[in-house]
Amino acid sequence: DAGVIQSPRHEVTEMGQEVTLRCKPISGHNSLFWYRQTMMRGLELLIYFNNNVPIDDSGMPEDRFSAKMPNASFSTLKIQPSEPRDSAVYFCASSNPLAGSNEKLFFGSGTQLSVL
Amino acid sequence: LAKTTQPISMDSYEGQEVNITCSHNNIATNDYITWYQQFPSQGPRFIIQGYKTKVTNEVASLFIPADRKSSTLSLPRVSLSDTAVYYCLVGDLDAGNMLTFGGGTRLMVKP
Repeated sequence: DAGVIQSPRHEVTEMGQEVTLRCKPISGHNSLFWYRQTMMRGLELLIYFNNNVPIDDSGMPEDRFSAKMPNASFSTLKIQPSEPRDSAVYFCASSNPLAGSNEKLFFGSGTQLSVL
Repeated sequence: LAKTTQPISMDSYEGQEVNITCSHNNIATNDYITWYQQFPSQGPRFIIQGYKTKVTNEVASLFIPADRKSSTLSLPRVSLSDTAVYYCLVGDLDAGNMLTFGGGTRLMVKP
């Protein structure tokens, strides 16, 4: 099992540019989560999907952020336009509620985003 | 939504047992208690999960009292490599609760 795969590992961009972060969940997992981590705010849940459907996006900071899950094996988090305050580590996680408890999350290695 | 409270930081020495307690006074009936470990530049990693009483696996034990309003993660004989941030997470995704992490406990293991 390759685990949750995120790309890119690092992203440096300029303010105003569009940024797209990608995630491939563990095969067979039907829940996917996007988190953002900063020193000031810790780990924040942005949005989660169940069976490719967005269930709760109340954590998405503003309209500049959008997330999609076109199929069970791929999700994107897009920021357009990006701002320096978006600089953070963005984590993707997946889980498999059918395996028992759905609170067992498997995290990717994260994308370190720097907006200059 | 069950909120959690943990100590911000703890120090220990190699070989000692470390106990980290998490308070979750408004835990709901269907909520599970899960602990995660995070090293720098990595995503959180699942350690252990429980619902009530005691759970033990190869790396840790989790003690949950009858009222479930708190839980204690026990790490036996810690080593330098156990230096990390430990998060307690309480929730039930089936109920539509967002899985929100608290501030975590930064454990420093010294030689």
